This record gives sequence, structure tokens and C-alpha cells, in this order.
Amino acid sequence: DTGVSQNPRHKITKRGQNVTFRCDPISEHNRLYWYRQTLGQGPEFLTYFQNEAQLEKSRLLSDRFSAERPKGSFSTLEIQRTEQGDSAMYLCASSLRESSGNTIYFGEGSWLTVV
Amino acid sequence: AQSVTQLDSQVPVFEEAPVELRCNYSSSVSVYLFWYVQYPNQGLQLLLKYLSGSTLVESINGFEAEFNKSQTSFHLRKPSVHISDTAEYFCAVSEVDAGNMLTFGGGTRLMVKP
Repeated sequence: DTGVSQNPRHKITKRGQNVTFRCDPISEHNRLYWYRQTLGQGPEFLTYFQNEAQLEKSRLLSDRFSAERPKGSFSTLEIQRTEQGDSAMYLCASSLRESSGNTIYFGEGSWLTVV
Repeated sequence: AQSVTQLDSQVPVFEEAPVELRCNYSSSVSVYLFWYVQYPNQGLQLLLKYLSGSTLVESINGFEAEFNKSQTSFHLRKPSVHISDTAEYFCAVSEVDAGNMLTFGGGTRLMVKP
């Protein structure tokens, strides 16, 4: 079963360091999303791509955050100069563009702890 | 912009009892509605969705939800819960024709006790 794959699953980093997460979507999916989920909260939308184009960015995505999807396949989410408030689970998801309302499939998430 | 409110942060219930998890939303445009389930240390899995047509939608594991446009609600119900239903449940909406971006509620933790 080739679902949405994320790595690393867990990352502990010191404040001020940079971290990068990778997401491999389901192979035929052309839409890819990043969400952030903090403890006890629902996921919050960060950004999404259609193929390699980044079409929407949330105001939550500060200038320390950058996401790429260079060839329309896998995506990376980089956080520069991490802060303790960045500690959260970062969820990647993918879907097909064919019609709105199509199911969005989530990966298992990447946990970030900033110490 | 839309928002989702899940009125109960935790719902304890005994095994084989019925349960209802409440969800209300607000939006100025037409929306699709979803329920996702999250088991500990895992990602989200789609439980059921409402796009159009019959306002009552069902999942394969006995959950159902009813879209009520006048009350802007999409409550999730199950007539008899199992221990294995213990999880976090998230209600979400997306605007029709808006890139499938989901807005989630804060979640309801369903705790099924023996």
C-alpha cells in the first residue's frame, strides 16, 4: 500500500537550527498539502501545491518556513531558525484534482520538538 | 472564510452505548463536510464525507452523519460503540471549488470504557 509517506517521523532539534521534512504523496496525486497540528488542536492549513506550483499559503507560514515541490512529485518543508513555538506535528496530504471534494489522504505526520 | 466548532472536547461513553459527536460550521459559501479519525500517533483517516445528494452519509464501520443546512451542523453518530473506536475525531469543511483546502475543528476525544 503506497500511501502518503513522511520522514523523518520524529525530529528533536535545538532552537535556532534548521530542519527539513520530506513528503512523498500517492503517486498519481497532483495536489499536495501541508498542515500543522499542535497538541490538543485540529490541523491547520499551511500551504498547497498543484503539481509544482504553490497555489496557496496560509498566514501561519512565516518567512522562516519554505515549501517546495520541484518536480511535482515529492515535497519538502523547511523551517529555518526554529523556535519552541514550532514544536508540532507536520502533516502532509495529497489528493487528485479531478473534482473538488475528492478525498484528501494524510500521511502519519512528522513530529518536531524544539528544545 | 469558514470555521468549525466541535462542541465537546471529550466524550466518555461505555462500550455498546450510542454516541453523538457534535459539529457546527459557519461559512458564507457552499461547503463540503468531512469527518476524520486519528488514532494515537497516527495521521488522519477519512471516516465519511458529504458532497451532495442524500444528507445522511454512512461509513463502513457503523458511523453515520447527517448534514443539516438550516442548523449548519454535521453531527456524527454511532448506535453502539466498541473499545476500538477510542480515538480523536475531527470535523472539517472545505469550500466548494476551493482547492480542497480543509478547515478543521478542534477535535473530540472519544473514550470508550469497558
